[in-house]
Amino acid sequence: DAKTTQPTSMDCAEGRAANLPCNHSTISGNEYVYWYRQIHSQGPQYIIHGLKNNETNEMASLIITEDRKSSTLILPHATLRDTAVYYCIVRDDSNYQLIWGAGTKLIIKP
Amino acid sequence: GAVVSQHPSWVICKSGTSVKIECRSLDFQATTMFWYRQFPKQSLMLMATSNEGSKATYEQGVEKDKFLINHASLTLSTLTVTSAHPEDSSFYICSARRQIDSPLHFGNGTRLTVT
Repeated sequence: DAKTTQPTSMDCAEGRAANLPCNHSTISGNEYVYWYRQIHSQGPQYIIHGLKNNETNEMASLIITEDRKSSTLILPHATLRDTAVYYCIVRDDSNYQLIWGAGTKLIIKP
Repeated sequence: GAVVSQHPSWVICKSGTSVKIECRSLDFQATTMFWYRQFPKQSLMLMATSNEGSKATYEQGVEKDKFLINHASLTLSTLTVTSAHPEDSSFYICSARRQIDSPLHFGNGTRLTVT
C-alpha cells in the first residue's frame, strides 16, 4: 500500500504559487520523499526528492516538516501547463521501489 | 539529461497477435528498468522489474509467459505482449534508473488497443 495521503484534487490560479500537501506519517528514517507529475496520456515526470532538508530546483521547492511526517511541494508560479496529477511517494528503503498512490489532480485556472 | 524513449507511442493490434514495446535510456546506462501498466483514471501498477543480463522479476498476478521482458543491454529493455486480448488494452509505461538509489525516469508510454 502507498505510504502517503494526498488530497484528491486542487485548483490554483495561473501565476500564483501552487502548494500541494502530502502526509507520510509512517515514514522511516532513511526513506526519501519523491514527487512526480503525470500530464494526461504521458509518462510521469520526475520533479524533486528529499530526505530531511528543504530542496529547490528549477521546477519546484520541497518543504519537509522537521518530524518528516508531511511535506509540501511548491510550484512558485503556476502555469496552465502545470495541470497534471501530482504524486507524492515515499521510496521503500528495502528495495528502493516507488509505491504509487492516487495522487492529487491539480488544475491551473486562467 | 536522463531521457527515456519509449516506442511505439501507440499501437492497435488484433486479438491473438503479439506486440513488442521498446524502452531505451538515451543518455545514461540503466542498470534497472521497470514496466508498468495504467488503466484510465488509475495510478501506475508495477508489472515487473528488469535488470540487465538477468531474468525479470514479475509482480504477483502478472503472467511472465504473457508479458515477455528482455533487458539485453544497459540501454534497452523490451516488453512483448503475447497473444494479446482486448483486456490487455492499456497504457504501458517503462522507467529506468542509473543505479539503485537514483531517481526513476519514465518513458512517455505506449497506448495499446487490442481489437
